[in-house]
Amino acid sequence: GAVVSQHPSRVICKSGTSVKIECRSLDFQATTMFWYRQFPKQSLMLMATSNEGSKATYEQGVEKDKFLINHASLTLSTLTVTSAHPEDSSFYICSAPGGAHEQFFGPGTRLTVL
Amino acid sequence: QKEVEQNSGPLSVPEGAIASLNCTYSDRGSQSFFWYRQYSGKSPELIMSIYSNGDKEDGRFTAQLNKASQYVSLLIRDSQPSDSATYLCAAFNNNDMRFGAGTRLTVKP
Repeated sequence: GAVVSQHPSRVICKSGTSVKIECRSLDFQATTMFWYRQFPKQSLMLMATSNEGSKATYEQGVEKDKFLINHASLTLSTLTVTSAHPEDSSFYICSAPGGAHEQFFGPGTRLTVL
Repeated sequence: QKEVEQNSGPLSVPEGAIASLNCTYSDRGSQSFFWYRQYSGKSPELIMSIYSNGDKEDGRFTAQLNKASQYVSLLIRDSQPSDSATYLCAAFNNNDMRFGAGTRLTVKP
């Protein structure tokens, strides 16, 4: 299957700082990528759809000014958590769709905000 | 709201038994269905996809789809302790993939 990478895999930051997470499709192009958040023992929650060349589409309740998404190229989408707070601590996962509608997930980024 | 529903479990089966995981979906327009496995602290990995009514077998895994009943299932034969994970059901329609909350499976040695 297709490979999606994320960087960093783990980040610890102080409250109030911004954190950028990168999502790359390594062997295929992705005009659309998806960003999810997962709290411990909870389900995968779709945050936003990242669209190459246009604005991201955010799910209801997700603040677009706090979670900045940039889909700079056909292989890269970035999620920036601005002014992070402890409640933003979570597992952030990106995915990119394959040719048969399946989603290929990145390995995830564990964010801890102190 | 287009929902995908799963029993959260936990579902516990002995090693070597058949584990049966069930999922229902509300969007009748859903075209494709997927089962993902997620180990604790890891991201989901695709294990099965199914697009038409009936059964689809891949090794120890069998996915079943019944569009009339809006029902998808996953059977795991000869369950192994390494199968212990959370299994996510997903339904796709028009670039919109919806995930269930997942069923936690424990296979006891």
